[in-house]
Amino acid sequence: DGGITQSPKYLFRKEGQNVTLSCEQNLNHDAMYWYRQDPGQGLRLIYYSQIVNDFQKGDIAEGYSVSREKKESFPLTVTSAQKNPTAFYLCASSIVVGGLARAGRAKNIQYFGAGTRLSVL
Amino acid sequence: QKEVEQNSGPLSVPEGAIASLNCTYSDRGSQSFFWYRQYSGKSPELIMSIYSNGDKEDGRFTAQLNKASQYVSLLIRDSQPSDSATYLCAPLMSAGGYQKVTFGTGTKLQVIP
Repeated sequence: DGGITQSPKYLFRKEGQNVTLSCEQNLNHDAMYWYRQDPGQGLRLIYYSQIVNDFQKGDIAEGYSVSREKKESFPLTVTSAQKNPTAFYLCASSIVVGGLARAGRAKNIQYFGAGTRLSVL
Repeated sequence: QKEVEQNSGPLSVPEGAIASLNCTYSDRGSQSFFWYRQYSGKSPELIMSIYSNGDKEDGRFTAQLNKASQYVSLLIRDSQPSDSATYLCAPLMSAGGYQKVTFGTGTKLQVIP
């Protein structure tokens, strides 16, 4: 079964602690993304990666870090610098980021994992 | 002006009625548009994509696009209680020389049995 797996489903962070959220995909997609969603809010982009060993900051990258050592994996670390980490974190992937050759529009469609709920103890 | 604007709702419709969800976007150059459905506590799932002006139908769903007016909508015919969810409009927009999918905050739909 192809898809995106996020773990854990629920995570609790203590004061001053770094925590890492896992995201793995077996869709052979080049692009991967991390979003944060707060109650009643839209999706806000934290980081994205177009290719292995490369990633770019999104709109709210402060207090977060990522790595992309393998095509299949894009873990997100919520650092102690993120003072308000309680949220629903969503990982997504797509074939590409941007690039709109007429025949390739569907390559921008993002598919999401089930999400991780992070709370502070 | 927000990049993607949606009425947050809730939009309440009776079962069997047509639900009409609207979205406007700021980037005149946007060429691809996606509608996602998100059930409470779950992740978004793609339900429609549209790339050309006009209508695109898929079962009970119809997406409508008017690039000149920078407006995209989603119609749900014969609404069912199972359609109750938040619907996210997501155009592909230019941002600093590249393009990215930008999500609206969503419209909450409630279908009343």
